[in-house]
Amino acid sequence: QSALTQPPSASGSPEQSVTISCTGTTSDVGGYNYVSWYQQHPGKAPKLMIYEVSKRPSGVPDRFSGSKSGNTASLTVSGLQAEDEADYYCSSYAGRNNVIFGGGTSLTVL
Amino acid sequence: EVQLLESGGGLVQPGGSLRLSCAASGFTFSTYAMSWVRQAPGKGLAWVSAISDSSGTIYYADSVKGRFTISRDNSKNTLFLQMNSLRAEDTAVYYCAKGYVSVNRFDSWGQGTLVTVSS
Repeated sequence: QSALTQPPSASGSPEQSVTISCTGTTSDVGGYNYVSWYQQHPGKAPKLMIYEVSKRPSGVPDRFSGSKSGNTASLTVSGLQAEDEADYYCSSYAGRNNVIFGGGTSLTVL
Repeated sequence: EVQLLESGGGLVQPGGSLRLSCAASGFTFSTYAMSWVRQAPGKGLAWVSAISDSSGTIYYADSVKGRFTISRDNSKNTLFLQMNSLRAEDTAVYYCAKGYVSVNRFDSWGQGTLVTVSS
């Protein structure tokens, strides 16, 4: 199964909002409401930010939100802060007990 | 606090074997499914394998099926990944992650262990 498609990079100024897209197919993103987003700082482990399209784990700021339309999921970071600068990966359940990830988006806070 | 600590990585020749371990603490290990996820240098994440809480259900990505074996010892709160017939493309940081493939939710990750396959 092919990886999900994310833009390689995104950027925004402090306090602005930025949205990162994640495009898949009807066999993954479009077929299940099991899209997750992970944040990864350089040299660190991934951290779950969003699961089941739009749910936030305890401790994740409400500046992070997720949504989905058709085969495309999105992560929006509002009120950008310097510590939000990181790589972001989307992930989707793809059926037959398989999970696929996107190629990652490097978010820069200008 | 959930802690996952991987070990066992290193340099191995193509065709060789390696066994990774992941020591878990801070939660009731025996009641959670676990997975291995890898990340090739400078690349994105890729799910490798998953095992249910009781080891009754096991899944593998097509890329490692028949070469890798996942297992766990609930008495020792430890997850394992036996990797055989290693290839250059298996070079990656391997993370253990707590969570469920069926709902695509991995809520805790270890710091990873680097596996390098090279002659």
